Amino acid sequence: GAGVSQSPSNKVTEKGKDVELRCDPISGHTALYWYRQRLGQGLEFLIYFQGNSAPDKSGLPSDRFSAERTGESVSTLTIQRTQQEDSAVYLCASTLEGRLEAFFGQGTRLTVV
Amino acid sequence: GQQLNQSPQSMFIQEGEDVSMNCTSSSIFNTWLWYKQDPGEGPVLLIALYKAGELTSNGRLTAQFGITRKDSFLNISASIPSDVGIYFCAGLKGSGGYQKVTFGTGTKLQVIP
Repeated sequence: GAGVSQSPSNKVTEKGKDVELRCDPISGHTALYWYRQRLGQGLEFLIYFQGNSAPDKSGLPSDRFSAERTGESVSTLTIQRTQQEDSAVYLCASTLEGRLEAFFGQGTRLTVV
Repeated sequence: GQQLNQSPQSMFIQEGEDVSMNCTSSSIFNTWLWYKQDPGEGPVLLIALYKAGELTSNGRLTAQFGITRKDSFLNISASIPSDVGIYFCAGLKGSGGYQKVTFGTGTKLQVIP
């Protein structure tokens, strides 16, 4: 597609439920990042996928968070047993191999009630 | 984890004024990027800097890659209301196929008409 696409754009879920967020990167982009952004705050790194290398999971805040990516395509971020503190905008970005600029999606706004 | 510190954290300025913000790190980066995030949107790339000492302009924006490679500066001249948003610096380091972006803490800019 023309840009990074994230779905859903908004998600309201009950505390304790699992959620799955999806990111479709720009076609051909080998690297993919997930970030969390709390209201009015900066970008908190979660996980980084680069080609076929093992992902860098160093930013995942707890074992309730996991992410997968199949090849160089779609990625899903899963949050299990959601807590209210998980409420935030989750942003995905992708980059093209050999280029360094990351392109962002519009994010998924997650609200845990 | 590694952090890029931006200052100021937030600023209110009058329309027409010039703005300066900076980004510092304890470690060296190969590339510096500056992004702007409008409310409700993902960050969008403004300027990319690839060499120490490089000074690059994009319209009313000017950014510099610090000589030490540990800092970068962004200036906005003659601010206008649509400059409102959060400005993020980002640094890249790594080699070969693994280059990971680290984002700064953000500078929130408010422009008073």
